[in-house]
Amino acid sequence: KAGVTQTPRYLIKTRGQQVTLSCSPISGHRSVSWYQQTPGQGLQFLFEYFSETQRNKGNFPGRFSGRQFSNSRSEMNVSTLELGDSALYLCASSTRVAGGQETQYFGPGTRLLVL
Amino acid sequence: DAKTTQPNSMESNEEEPVHLPCNHSTISGTDYIHWYRQLPSQGPEYVIHGLTSNVNNRMASLAIAEDRKSSTLILHRATLRDAAVYYCILRIGGGADGLTFGKGTHLIIQP
Repeated sequence: KAGVTQTPRYLIKTRGQQVTLSCSPISGHRSVSWYQQTPGQGLQFLFEYFSETQRNKGNFPGRFSGRQFSNSRSEMNVSTLELGDSALYLCASSTRVAGGQETQYFGPGTRLLVL
Repeated sequence: DAKTTQPNSMESNEEEPVHLPCNHSTISGTDYIHWYRQLPSQGPEYVIHGLTSNVNNRMASLAIAEDRKSSTLILHRATLRDAAVYYCILRIGGGADGLTFGKGTHLIIQP
C-alpha cells in the first residue's frame, strides 16, 4: 500500500506571497492532519480534516488554512508568508477509528523556505 | 494538557538494549502513552502505544510504571537504523486531537 505523499517536496517563496501544499493520504484513510516543524518550536499541530470538515485546530493564525476533498486528499494554504513560516510541513493520515488511538502515518514533508 | 519529560539525548552501542525514559507525572486516567520516532530527513513514524499494561511489538517494548507516572521504551537490540529522535506523547482516550510533540530524546547509536 502506498504511503502518504506530499507535493512539492521543496519550495522557495518570498515574503508576502501565498503557498499551497498538497497531501495524498494512504488509501482508505479519511483523516488528514497537518503539522509544522521548526528548529525553535519543534513539531506543532496545525489542523485535522475528516470527511471534508476541519475537526481540530492548533494554535496558529488565520493565515494558515486547509481543506479536504471528497477523495480525502488535502491541501493547506499559507497566505501572506512571513520569514517565520519557513519550516518543514508534515502531513499525516489515519483511519480515525473510535477511541482516538489510531496510528498516524506521516509523509516525508514539504520543506518551505521563505526569503 | 498533561506534559512529558524526556532526556535531551542518549547514547548507546549497536546491538545493545536501549531504555528510553519518559516522565508524565500529571497523566490522567484516560491518557494513552504513545511513542513516535523521527529518523533523519523523514517524517515521524509510530513505534508503540499503551494504557496501563506493558506492550510489545516487532519494533519495541513499552514498560509502564504501576502508577503510570513514567514509562520506558525499550529497543531490545539497537541498530544504526534506530538512531532517531524519539517522542513520548500522551493522547486523551476517546479523543482524536492532534499529537502534541515535545522535544524528544535524540538517540545516538555508536557502531
